[in-house]
Amino acid sequence: NAGVTQTPKFRILKIGQSMTLQCTQDMNHNYMYWYRQDPGMGLKLIYYSVGAGITDKGEVPNGYNVSRSTTEDFPLRLELAAPSQTSVYFCASSLGTGPKATQHFGDGTRLSIL
Amino acid sequence: GESVGLHLPTLSVQEGDNSIINCAYSNSASDYFIWYKQESGKGPQFIIDIRSNMDKRQGQRVTVLLNKTVKHLSLQIAATQPGDSAVYFCAEGNKLTFGGGTRVLVKP
Repeated sequence: NAGVTQTPKFRILKIGQSMTLQCTQDMNHNYMYWYRQDPGMGLKLIYYSVGAGITDKGEVPNGYNVSRSTTEDFPLRLELAAPSQTSVYFCASSLGTGPKATQHFGDGTRLSIL
Repeated sequence: GESVGLHLPTLSVQEGDNSIINCAYSNSASDYFIWYKQESGKGPQFIIDIRSNMDKRQGQRVTVLLNKTVKHLSLQIAATQPGDSAVYFCAEGNKLTFGGGTRVLVKP
C-alpha cells in the first residue's frame, strides 16, 4: 500500500513554462486535494475533488487547473508558470468528510520558478 | 484560528516539559476534529482525532481536549522530545481547509 504518491519531487521551471504535477493514491479514496505551502506558512487549498469527474476550487485556484478522470489520479497543471507559484505542493486524499475526513498526504513536490 | 498570510506562531519548549498547542474553530456544528504533525521536508501526518461527543482523548504521550462551549481544541504533548519538533495543524472534519498551524521547537 503506497498511499499517496507525488511526482516529481523537485522541479525548476522558467517563467511562462507549463507543467503537470502528478498525484496518485491506491486507497480508493473518494476525496482528493491539492495544497500549496509557502516557506514558514500554513497550507492553502488550491483545488479539491469529491470523486471522479468532479472538481472544485479551493482558496487559491488562480493559475492552476485540475482534472479527475479516475478515482486514483488527480493531476495539477500550471499553464503559465509565474514566480509567485514557487512553493511546495502537497496532494492528499480522504474517504470523505466528517468522521472520514482524515487526510493522507504525499511527500510533496518542491517547485521553483525562475 | 486562521492566520492566513502570516508566518506560523512558534512555541519553544524545553526538552522534557509538556507542550500545549491551541486551536480555535468556527463551526459549532463540527463533529470531528483532527490533529496533524508535519516534520521538516515531509507532508502532514495524522496524530490523533476526537469526536464532538467526547471532551478528551488520549494517545501515546498526546492528549486532545475539546471545549465545545468556547469552540476550542488543544493538543498536549507530554515529556516533549526533540522528535516532537514540527508544525502542528488542527482540522475540522467538515471543512476542507486547515488552521494556520503552530511550530514547536524543542530546546535540548
